[in-house]
Amino acid sequence: QPVLTQPPSASAAPGQRVTISCSGSSSNLGPNTVNWYQQLPGAAPKLLIYANNRRPSGVPDRFSGSKSGTSASLAITGLQSLDEADYYCAAWDGSLNAVVFGGGTKVTVL
Amino acid sequence: QVQLVESGGGVVQPGRSLRLSCAASGFTFSNYAMYWVRQAPGKGLEWLAVVSYDGSNKYYADSVRGRFAISRDNSKKTLFLQMNSLRTEDTAIYYCARGYFPFGEFLLDAFDTWGQGTLVTVSS
Repeated sequence: QPVLTQPPSASAAPGQRVTISCSGSSSNLGPNTVNWYQQLPGAAPKLLIYANNRRPSGVPDRFSGSKSGTSASLAITGLQSLDEADYYCAAWDGSLNAVVFGGGTKVTVL
Repeated sequence: QVQLVESGGGVVQPGRSLRLSCAASGFTFSNYAMYWVRQAPGKGLEWLAVVSYDGSNKYYADSVRGRFAISRDNSKKTLFLQMNSLRTEDTAIYYCARGYFPFGEFLLDAFDTWGQGTLVTVSS
């Protein structure tokens, strides 16, 4: 059972906005930053957002992240068919001394 | 360019051992923490282990602690994962990944470069 909780699926029409939530606890998201990864079908994961809301070079500004307390969210605006993928949140857990992942959210473009 | 290439995967019987390697290129390997992450067929990502840039600190997931060992050879720019007492539930694609920040602390880090993965199948 993943330590971080994500909805298994999310969907929206092309051009619309989709938001993915990630819920944690006082030992992971509470004190530490959250990172988001995108995994396209058949590919290795890719870093999408780090340190809660920062985008690595090359990631479009359609992707944004936020964190408040023990919850975080990833928003994708102007949804495109190429955004269909699995999205994972992750953070360091100080009680486990481990990186913990969410179970992943499959985004579908309707 | 920054690149990670895993090798050493294959089919192995339960209870046996396997050693994975991850060859790094395009960056100063000795400046970054390195990670192993796996993904069972049809499942999500599971973090396994981390080693600090100089090899002095290591942490493991509960699921592999005592069976797997992470190590690195900075002179050869290579990361390793020694896997012992393998179980059928260890069947997965194994990825190595680089930490985002040079000399970064684990609690602030992210995985900014991933290898293509190597498949490990544990089956009799």
